[in-house]
Amino acid sequence: AQSVTQLGSHVSVSEGALVLLRCNYSSSVPPYLFWYVQYPNQGLQLLLKYTSAATLVKGINGFEAEFKKSETSFHLTKPSAHMSDAAEYFCAVTKGSGGSNYKLTFGKGTLLTVNP
Amino acid sequence: ETGVTQSPTHLIKTRGQQVTLRCSSQSGHNTVSWYQQALGQGPQFIFQYYREEENGRGNFPPRFSGLQFPNYSSELNVNALELDDSALYLCASSPGGLDTQYFGPGTRLTVL
Repeated sequence: AQSVTQLGSHVSVSEGALVLLRCNYSSSVPPYLFWYVQYPNQGLQLLLKYTSAATLVKGINGFEAEFKKSETSFHLTKPSAHMSDAAEYFCAVTKGSGGSNYKLTFGKGTLLTVNP
Repeated sequence: ETGVTQSPTHLIKTRGQQVTLRCSSQSGHNTVSWYQQALGQGPQFIFQYYREEENGRGNFPPRFSGLQFPNYSSELNVNALELDDSALYLCASSPGGLDTQYFGPGTRLTVL
């Protein structure tokens, strides 16, 4: 079974500060990993994904994440926070091997607040 | 290119009623997945349809059922609604089962 743990249900940063949102996963097979962002009253928007190619993945809006197999982590970072980054962020995992590896398993989410 | 759309946006029902939620997948996508997102939680997988066949199901009772049509749009039906069914229901489409899933805006269901 796969699972995702997001450390910190709420992260608060100042505008211009580093954003670090933590995600650890558990998977018995090589995983595919995703970060999604959800703005209030909206659906999920894909930020970036890891599918066993480069371990450092760059996404939209200046976000990036690094896959570390030894630490079973896939933390999301952004060098400089902007007010528009305030949202809820979800880490998700699915199995990356062949077969019907269909469902995304999500973490509980991290609410990012950006202070002026 | 039109993204994933869902209808209705909001819905209020009472316990015991039945509800149907609809989803139009993104052009070229043959796979649709449904998720339930309770308040303050991450989305939970309900089921997935691939080319009109159910292709996996999460831990939801049989009163949650679905359909996928030849144009790859989909419906989620919930019978005998319970208060705990109140949630945001998200539909996601992808060009294949393992590919990136693209989400619609969701339907907010409130059960009174």
